[in-house]
Amino acid sequence: QLQLQESGPGLVKPSETLSLTCTVSGGSISSSSHYWAWIRQSPGKGLEWIGSIYYSGSTYYSPSLKSRVTISVDTSKNQFSLKLSFVTVADTAVYYCARRPFGSGHDDWGQGTLVTVSS
Amino acid sequence: DIQMTQSPSTLSASVGDRVIITCRASQSVSSWLAWYQQKPGKAPKLLIYKASTLESGVPSRFSGSGSGTEFTLTVSSLQPDDFATYYCQQYNSYSEGLTFGPGTKVDIK
Repeated sequence: QLQLQESGPGLVKPSETLSLTCTVSGGSISSSSHYWAWIRQSPGKGLEWIGSIYYSGSTYYSPSLKSRVTISVDTSKNQFSLKLSFVTVADTAVYYCARRPFGSGHDDWGQGTLVTVSS
Repeated sequence: DIQMTQSPSTLSASVGDRVIITCRASQSVSSWLAWYQQKPGKAPKLLIYKASTLESGVPSRFSGSGSGTEFTLTVSSLQPDDFATYYCQQYNSYSEGLTFGPGTKVDIK
């Protein structure tokens, strides 16, 4: 059974870079039929897609976050990562990693990790 | 960006009720629309994709319909486990972003 697990600092200072990693187990990140995504949810708010990556390294970013987001993949470690630069308190959220098969919605999710932006 | 709206934002219902949630897109997304259920403190769960295809393991009381800009999620007979927040998401094109609706909270009447 596929499992995704987010990891990274739970506290980031304003103007710094948020860095998270998603480790995939029970399946290969090199699947030719899946995308891998980062999605966040601010406290008490709705869901926001941040971006996605294909195992080949092709990336797709939210137009509203594109200038600050980098998503990368490490197939040797079965991991993909998120970097969000110049964070503000508005970036405080639970960050989820998720898998999306071609033609489908996001069918497998990590448990989520809360990242707080505060000095 | 493609904007998504949902109605109602909150819905009070009883066990056994038929519940309908509407999702609208600001431009056509064809049938590239998914529905998720989320409970407090948990990750969302995929219910339906491609507007009307039931995800494996999801009870048949959930159904989806629509195409283009208007979509519905129907729960034929609400069960205690169904009280949650429901989100739609379009995935028509990465160039436009994969946007979620604002959510519909289904609570107990």
